[in-house]
Amino acid sequence: QSVLTQPPSASGTPGQRVTISCSGSSSNIGSNIVNWYQQLPGAAPKLLIYRNNQRPSGVPDRFSGSKSGTSASLAISGLQSEDEADYYCAAWDDSLIVFGTGTKVTVL
Amino acid sequence: QVQLQQWGAGQLKPSETLSLTCAVYGEPFSGYYWSWIRQPPGRGLEWIGQINYSGSTNYNPSLKSRVTISLDTIKKQFSLKLSSVTVADTAVYYCARDPDHYGSSSYGLDVWGRGTTVAVSS
Repeated sequence: QSVLTQPPSASGTPGQRVTISCSGSSSNIGSNIVNWYQQLPGAAPKLLIYRNNQRPSGVPDRFSGSKSGTSASLAISGLQSEDEADYYCAAWDDSLIVFGTGTKVTVL
Repeated sequence: QVQLQQWGAGQLKPSETLSLTCAVYGEPFSGYYWSWIRQPPGRGLEWIGQINYSGSTNYNPSLKSRVTISLDTIKKQFSLKLSSVTVADTAVYYCARDPDHYGSSSYGLDVWGRGTTVAVSS
């Protein structure tokens, strides 16, 4: 039922830069803010990026977000082993929150 | 620091009603929207609905006919009821806080409960 499309997987070696895309439409990303969540194995999701590109307190600055038109991206610079997790984008869409399909990041 | 503690029945039979509660500790209850989200095994996140401190609700249209979210401001708790469950409702259910006064998640869901596993089987 996800209306935001993400690649199912992404990977990189420690220290590399990994980028995850999130594609939506004019009713969600195109007209509203994008947030990103990180879900470590067996844990609840955690807010990683809010208001397109803002980091909550405690989130390392190697995580960054951007938005352009109906798409958004999450970048992880200087990939670390503890970044291995599932990542979800989310946006408001006409009275409901819609999530992305999720991307599993693997650290090789 | 705000914490969300959730509980509810973890095993249901088809056609029964799922009932979960989430308690808010450490922060005022008012001024926020409170959401329920679920995640089927091995799958992604699905937003179920939200309620604010005055009782205003929004529901996911795909579940609206079966969902009721309510709150108890004195106890600082909010609850989820999902009627006529089927195997497809098997999931981990999370409660979460939305600090956006309009409930449009412009600041993200910034606090989450640990999740409650609900299994539906005959």
